[in-house]
Amino acid sequence: TQLLEQSPQFLSIQEGENLTVYCNSSSVFSSLQWYRQEPGEGPVLLVTVVTGGEVKKLKRLTFQFGDARKDSSLHITAAQPGDTGLYLCAGPTGNQFYFGTGTSLTVIP
Amino acid sequence: NAGVTQTPKFQVLKTGQSMTLQCAQDMNHEYMSWYRQDPGMGLRLIHYSVGAGITDQGEVPNGYNVSRSTTEDFPLRLLSAAPSQTSVYFCASSYDGGVSPYEQYFGPGTRLTVT
Repeated sequence: TQLLEQSPQFLSIQEGENLTVYCNSSSVFSSLQWYRQEPGEGPVLLVTVVTGGEVKKLKRLTFQFGDARKDSSLHITAAQPGDTGLYLCAGPTGNQFYFGTGTSLTVIP
Repeated sequence: NAGVTQTPKFQVLKTGQSMTLQCAQDMNHEYMSWYRQDPGMGLRLIHYSVGAGITDQGEVPNGYNVSRSTTEDFPLRLLSAAPSQTSVYFCASSYDGGVSPYEQYFGPGTRLTVT
């Protein structure tokens, strides 16, 4: 059983389209992070959200932490081929980090 | 700074063999961890350490051992390799936030195949 569930698992869209990726849990997290991973490399941190209801923007990417701190979303506006990759949410419980199942995004030129 | 380094990058083992995956970081991070990544499963925590001399089990510790004799190094040992351990292994480090670890920095990964 995964502590963090992501949806969708796979997403293939045309360049210029918008998309949203969801990260859900039945547990409360003190913070949630989003990572992006490219083939053959380790994940790289995009953002950390800490406060319930918090919204953070990173260029065309908008991250939101749910009010109850059990879920988060990543919205990409006008997706570019360079956004292609595996997106992972992650959160700490005590000294352990739990990762979501991942969303594999392909942006077609 | 090199960040987090892992060796080897690729490894093929036969069932029953043992080996050590190396991980080192030069950021003076207290917290280090090992994950395995399998298709459709995200990353799963194998073992972690909150400082030199302290290690603990994660979600999937069976078949793996770790030690942390220095702040910089955190090797992962496979005791008797099994085909189920075929995976990509990532080492990560972060500051210890006290209550929970902060953002993690990952190494480039080791792709292990057990035949």
